[in-house]
Amino acid sequence: QKEVEQNSGPLSVPEGAIASLNCTYSDRGSQSFFWYRQYSGKSPELIMFIYSNGDKEDGRFTAQLNKASQYVSLLIRDSQPSDSATYLCAVAARSNDYKLSFGAGTTVTVRA
Amino acid sequence: ETGVTQSPTHLIKTRGQQVTLRCSSQSGHNTVSWYQQALGQGPQFIFQYYREEENGRGNFPPRFSGLQFPNYSSELNVNALELDDSALYLCASSLVSSGITDTQYFGPGTRLTVL
Repeated sequence: QKEVEQNSGPLSVPEGAIASLNCTYSDRGSQSFFWYRQYSGKSPELIMFIYSNGDKEDGRFTAQLNKASQYVSLLIRDSQPSDSATYLCAVAARSNDYKLSFGAGTTVTVRA
Repeated sequence: ETGVTQSPTHLIKTRGQQVTLRCSSQSGHNTVSWYQQALGQGPQFIFQYYREEENGRGNFPPRFSGLQFPNYSSELNVNALELDDSALYLCASSLVSSGITDTQYFGPGTRLTVL
């Protein structure tokens, strides 16, 4: 079982719609959760982090965490063509000294 | 811009050669982590340097080694290059306090091609 798994994608959404990205993790002791955005040929850019169960909103982005279900998601509201990128879910656990474990990423394409 | 810099941007080597990649951390950060990202995959943790010592290592062979300098900058060295070492190498800067690694910010990466 992979430590961090994401929707394989690609995910195509029309401009203005909501894009929903999902991520599950295997280490129940995981404590920190991150979403990074990566444009083609570029390095990952931090979008959000979340530590506690529930929702966390930042502009058009909302991260949702459910530790009981070992599930974290990212919602992108009012999707724009500039949101077209690969989104990486990363998890840090005490058992791994809080080093980041990444999923393979979900590629999102926003259609104009 | 994260303030993390890496050099060189691109590098082409042949199998068996050695390579050194460099990273300067963001101001105020004391830790550098290195990741390897193959095409179509997520970054894989190589190792982390804190206080000039290796502070954790992923599943990479000993021919991957590193250094951290007093100014918190870091080097990644790879010996006996193999074709599968072709990847984007990412450096991430963070602050470790009380043994906990804070949020990591990535540099632009070095694209290594091994022929």
